[in-house]
Amino acid sequence: DTEVTQTPKHLVMGMTNKKSLKCEQHMGHRAMYWYKQKAKKPPELMFVYSYEKLSINESVPSRFSPECPNSSLLNLHLHALQPEDSALYLCASSLLPGETQYFGPGTRLLVL
Amino acid sequence: AQSVTQPDIHITVSEGASLELRCNYSYGATPYLFWYVQSPGQGLQLLLKYFSGDTLVQGIKGFEAEFKRSQSSFNLRKPSVHWSDAAEYFCAVGARWETSGSRLTFGEGTQLTVNP
Repeated sequence: DTEVTQTPKHLVMGMTNKKSLKCEQHMGHRAMYWYKQKAKKPPELMFVYSYEKLSINESVPSRFSPECPNSSLLNLHLHALQPEDSALYLCASSLLPGETQYFGPGTRLLVL
Repeated sequence: AQSVTQPDIHITVSEGASLELRCNYSYGATPYLFWYVQSPGQGLQLLLKYFSGDTLVQGIKGFEAEFKRSQSSFNLRKPSVHWSDAAEYFCAVGARWETSGSRLTFGEGTQLTVNP
């Protein structure tokens, strides 16, 4: 089983809203990742959590705030987003840092 | 720094025809190489991967890829394409750091259209 789940599937939010994206895996993976993907473009890495610790932050604006409450769960808290933040947000996990990454279906975010 | 080039932005093939998607990478050491497929609005599905060993790797859905170190290439092939193979294909190279996690670098993708 290589399933990564993400909720919600779709999200529409205003620029003053606060919302959260959720990612979950029950494969015992110890590394989890957030990517942002704009239309017709490859995914861009945002954050990496390794053993529940933030290990890579790709200079993402502070309006995106990741959280890893436990080894199975990864959240992305959103606040005061801009319309250009509209994108598909993908979560991935790997058994260990550096191993094969398995992706979830993504959350399609629209910021109005 | 690692990089990936997928020279073909868009490829069209007829159903039943053979397929080859090109991927060239730049990396200082032995790379970890991946092919992922993405249907519209969906996440990325792993087709196959190369870490070491046999340079011809088999994947899901009848795909295979060959690692050629001398050409810095990792081309994806399928002998007979099905209409359901129409999707975006991404080649990616990974670097392994044991503690900090792996940064996957993706190519720009190749959009595959399959004609009936």
